[in-house]
Amino acid sequence: AQKVTQAQTEISVVEKEDVTLDCVYETRDTTYYLFWYKQPPSGELVFLIRRNSFDEQNEISGRYSWNFQKSTSSFNFTITASQVVDSAVYFCALILTGANNLFFGTGTRLTVIP
Amino acid sequence: SQTIHQWPATLVQPVGSPLSLECTVEGTSNPNLYWYRQAAGRGLQLLFYSVGIGQISSEVPQNLSASRPQDRQFILSSKKLLLSDSGFYLCAWSGRAAIYFGEGSWLTVV
Repeated sequence: AQKVTQAQTEISVVEKEDVTLDCVYETRDTTYYLFWYKQPPSGELVFLIRRNSFDEQNEISGRYSWNFQKSTSSFNFTITASQVVDSAVYFCALILTGANNLFFGTGTRLTVIP
Repeated sequence: SQTIHQWPATLVQPVGSPLSLECTVEGTSNPNLYWYRQAAGRGLQLLFYSVGIGQISSEVPQNLSASRPQDRQFILSSKKLLLSDSGFYLCAWSGRAAIYFGEGSWLTVV
C-alpha cells in the first residue's frame, strides 16, 4: 500500500526565514510520481512540482527548491526567504505510474509572520 | 490552455436533501476526471474517477455517486445528504504534467 507522511502539522516562521517542509513516502512500486501542491486560504489546490521516481535531480524554481532522496524515501520542499504570501497548507502526494489515485499526505500548514 | 471549473462554490444543505456538484474542463479532450473530498483538517480522499463518458470508478463506498454525461463534464450527486458529507469537494483532471484541481466547493450539511 502507498502512504505519504507529512509529520509537521503546523509551522510558523518569521518573514525572510527559510523553511523546509518534510515529506516521507512509502511504496513498494519502483515507478511513481511525487507532487507538491499549495492550498491557500481560498481552498484551490495549486500544482507546484512533479518529480518521477527515476529523476533524483534536485530542482530549484525561484525561492522554491525540492530535495528528492530515494534512499530515505523523502521529497522535501524548501522555501527560501519566506514571504507572507507563502502562508498556506502544503500537500505532498504520490501516484503510481499508470494508476488513478493520487495519495496525499495530511498537509503542513505554514504561517509566515510579517 | 486548459481550465477547470466547478460550482457551486459554497452551499448549505439540510440533512436528507439532494446534492449536485458540477465540474467542467475546457481546452482538452477525453481527460481523466476525479472527485476528491477534503474533510476539515485532513488530507484529500479520492471519491470517484472517470476515464471516459459513462465510465465511473468508485474508490470509497458511501452516500455519493458520480456521473459523466459528456466528455468534459463530471457530476457529483447524492439523493439524501448526511451530516458526514460535509466537507470541501474538489474536481480534478489529469494532464501530462500533473493532476490539476478546480476551485473547490464547500458543502455544509445542517
